[in-house]
Amino acid sequence: RKEVEQDPGPFNVPEGATVAFNCTYSNSASQSFFWYRQDCRKEPKLLMSVYSSGNEDGRFTAQLNRASQYISLLIRDSKLSDSATYLCVVNPTGHNNDMRFGAGTRLTVKP
Amino acid sequence: DGGITQSPKYLFRKEGQNVTLSCEQNLNHDAMYWYRQDPGQGLRLIYYSQIVNDFQKGDIAEGYSVSREKKESFPLTVTSAQKNPTAFYLCASSEGPNTGELFFGEGSRLTVL
Repeated sequence: RKEVEQDPGPFNVPEGATVAFNCTYSNSASQSFFWYRQDCRKEPKLLMSVYSSGNEDGRFTAQLNRASQYISLLIRDSKLSDSATYLCVVNPTGHNNDMRFGAGTRLTVKP
Repeated sequence: DGGITQSPKYLFRKEGQNVTLSCEQNLNHDAMYWYRQDPGQGLRLIYYSQIVNDFQKGDIAEGYSVSREKKESFPLTVTSAQKNPTAFYLCASSEGPNTGELFFGEGSRLTVL
């Protein structure tokens, strides 16, 4: 079983749609969680950290379910510019060098 | 502007040749990392350095070497011993070893012919 698993997609949605991605992780002791965004052939960039209580940043909402060992990302009112690959990142120890990356979920938002 | 600069962006190499990828940061970050990204896989850690003159192997260090002689520089050498070197290589840095956010360079795409 992979340490971090994501549905690779692609998710093709119209502008204005709401879309959600899930990510499961295998290490129940994992301490910190992140979503990164990666545009085609570019570097990943931090989208948001995921906190136990859930957190929101504009149109983006991230949630953590420790009991079921998954995190989710919800994007409301999708924009064309949201088209990218979203990487789920889980850190089992808190040391940056232990970060575990999912393979990513590809999103395409269409007019 | 502060950031991480990787060069070259694209590199072609013949089998049996060593190649060195450059990574320079002006963020004054202590920790630096090298990752490899392959299609359908998550990023995998090759080497990391938490401080100048010190570095540690990551999950897939075989066939690679690094140095950290200056805080701002962390070059990666892909040696001929690396069996499957064609990949997208990403350098990253963080303020400290446990600070959470990684800042990435734009990447170097290596193709072995």
